[in-house]
Amino acid sequence: GAGVSQSPRYKVAKRGQDVALRCDPISGHVSLFWYQQALGQGPEFLTYFQNEAQLDKSGLPSDRFFAERPEGSVSTLKIQRTQQEDSAVYLCASSFRQGGDMNTEAFFGQGTRLTVV
Amino acid sequence: GENVEQHPSTLSVQEGDSAVIKCTYSDSASNYFPWYKQELGKGPQLIIDIRSNVGEKKDQRIAVTLNKTAKHFSLHITETQPEDSAVYFCAATRPQDDMRFGAGTRLTVKP
Repeated sequence: GAGVSQSPRYKVAKRGQDVALRCDPISGHVSLFWYQQALGQGPEFLTYFQNEAQLDKSGLPSDRFFAERPEGSVSTLKIQRTQQEDSAVYLCASSFRQGGDMNTEAFFGQGTRLTVV
Repeated sequence: GENVEQHPSTLSVQEGDSAVIKCTYSDSASNYFPWYKQELGKGPQLIIDIRSNVGEKKDQRIAVTLNKTAKHFSLHITETQPEDSAVYFCAATRPQDDMRFGAGTRLTVKP
């Protein structure tokens, strides 16, 4: 596709349920990022992949959050035993990231709005 | 890690006026500074970016300035239009690292 695609767009989960959020990055993009955006706030970093390698997961709020990108393309963010405070929009972004010290533009998907009830 | 602060949190201007949003960052290693526009229900969209080897960049009605010494950068929108109304985010990025965002500025352009 032409842009970053996320699914589902909306997810309602009962507290305690596990959820999986999918991100299809732009083809050929090496870097992939997950962000959490609470209502009225800026995106907060969760984790970052370069190809299949998870280089930074320092933003994951707890061990209930897990992300993977096994083949260096599609990524899944999994949240186990969801809690109400997990309600937010989860954004995925990808960038070409040529390497060295040059950062390249990142493109965002539309996000998945998770509501935990 | 990098810390980005953004001001103001809300900004209301009359159509045709200019709007300025300011950000500061903490890590002198940051070398890439994008600005994103986010409309309701959509993901952030890049509108302009600047690298640390440049002091100013313009694209039609939008310009960004960077002061590396003071570690701050600003977004300038001239001749504002109602369709400029949105939330704007600044970000700072260190080499081979993720973006860290400011808290956002809600811009309202009144017709």
